[in-house]
Amino acid sequence: EVQLVESGGGLVQPGGSLRLSCAASGFTFSTYWMGWVRQAPGQGLEWVAFIKPDGSESGYLDSVRGRFTISRDNAKTSLYLQLNSLRVEDTAVYFCARFGVAYGVDVWGQGTTATVSS
Amino acid sequence: QSALTQPPSVSGSPGQSVTISCTGTSNDVGTYNRVSWYKQPPGTAPKLMIYEVSNRPSGVPDRFSGSKSGNTASLTISGLQAEDEAEYYCSSHTSSNTYVFGTGTKVTVL
Repeated sequence: EVQLVESGGGLVQPGGSLRLSCAASGFTFSTYWMGWVRQAPGQGLEWVAFIKPDGSESGYLDSVRGRFTISRDNAKTSLYLQLNSLRVEDTAVYFCARFGVAYGVDVWGQGTTATVSS
Repeated sequence: QSALTQPPSVSGSPGQSVTISCTGTSNDVGTYNRVSWYKQPPGTAPKLMIYEVSNRPSGVPDRFSGSKSGNTASLTISGLQAEDEAEYYCSSHTSSNTYVFGTGTKVTVL
């Protein structure tokens, strides 16, 4: 079964850090673009970042560039998102996402919640 | 990285057809056929309904169809059913190698 399972969310103060992880299974992880999509409470979907299959290239949402870092470990079939200098507006459910044909997200995780509050 | 523009809501009676528009720019929807559509019922992860403008993944009913003209993509749901009620989002890859979602449309079955 193709599956993505996120972990690492939690409550953190503004300016703090979190590291999100996504464990992939059931497919050849090293051949897919992977990324993160977030959804703030009551809001729409927002793309955060993605990374090339070999990890050599990545892209970021302007508002997180320089604060968030996406990475992957193909040997461990895992995807990561390091969140630094967190702001209240980063509070959201963060979904792990597999980008398939024509960049359609064909597999989604169940999401992990990051809450930034003092 | 502005969100693609969708109508906030559309509605229809069972059996009718509804169409959701998704307007971008020449840097995203207008240039590439990398437009997708997602269905998201409340409290759940999104599900891919259409990819590459008009292709349906396995298991998605053929009542769902996609198209594109210029900078605007569209999703049509024919033969509307109660289970189609959800939030729908479009998305597109962009010329600057980023990704953008639409603002979302709530579909209500009357």
